[in-house]
Amino acid sequence: DTAVSQTPKYLVTQMGNDKSIKCEQNLGHDTMYWYKQDSKKFLKIMFSYNNKELIINETVPNRFSPKSPDKAHLNLHINSLELGDSAVYFCASSQARVRNSPLHFGNGTRLTVT
Amino acid sequence: GNSVTQMEGPVTLSEEAFLTINCTYTATGYPSLFWYVQYPGEGLQLLLKATKADDKGSNKGFEATYRKETTSFHLEKGSVQVSDSAVYFCALSGDNAGNMLTFGGGTRLMVKP
Repeated sequence: DTAVSQTPKYLVTQMGNDKSIKCEQNLGHDTMYWYKQDSKKFLKIMFSYNNKELIINETVPNRFSPKSPDKAHLNLHINSLELGDSAVYFCASSQARVRNSPLHFGNGTRLTVT
Repeated sequence: GNSVTQMEGPVTLSEEAFLTINCTYTATGYPSLFWYVQYPGEGLQLLLKATKADDKGSNKGFEATYRKETTSFHLEKGSVQVSDSAVYFCALSGDNAGNMLTFGGGTRLMVKP
């Protein structure tokens, strides 16, 4: 009964490849997010979608393209992978209609670019 | 913009010691404040929150008080256990779209038996 699930858990790939990470939530939330956690554990927001619409797009290279086919799914596609993309990527969800509703996080996808 | 600063780790304590992890913030308006915990290999879990000044959030023996005058939200626990070893993140949610969180840099806590 995982609330926020991401696949894959680990992803090892070479520079220049294109890869996708999938995220699904079964909490009925209306907002989903992608966060990037670097090697020093620092977390930075990348994107946020509310009811399939992009509402936050931080300064992320356009090689990163999120896609939300419905409000329960938010996938992240990355083109032309670079060494600096190596990180742990976390998906999260919340009920934005409820102010200060906490975020629920997936267990992360560890991306290693060689 | 919004920002959160927390003490750098690692913090190493013996079991049953008192824990304080400092957190200060910068934000416009009236943010809500959170502490999240990340155990090894897992995602972040909400530990506690406070939504207005002087509120105290508490959970599992941890507590933090929202101090607007000092823009702080320090995490405390009276007696830590080995199972508390994790990375702790202070975060704020401002008057922005969709409950987005701004995180501090995280503080690793190691508790030794």
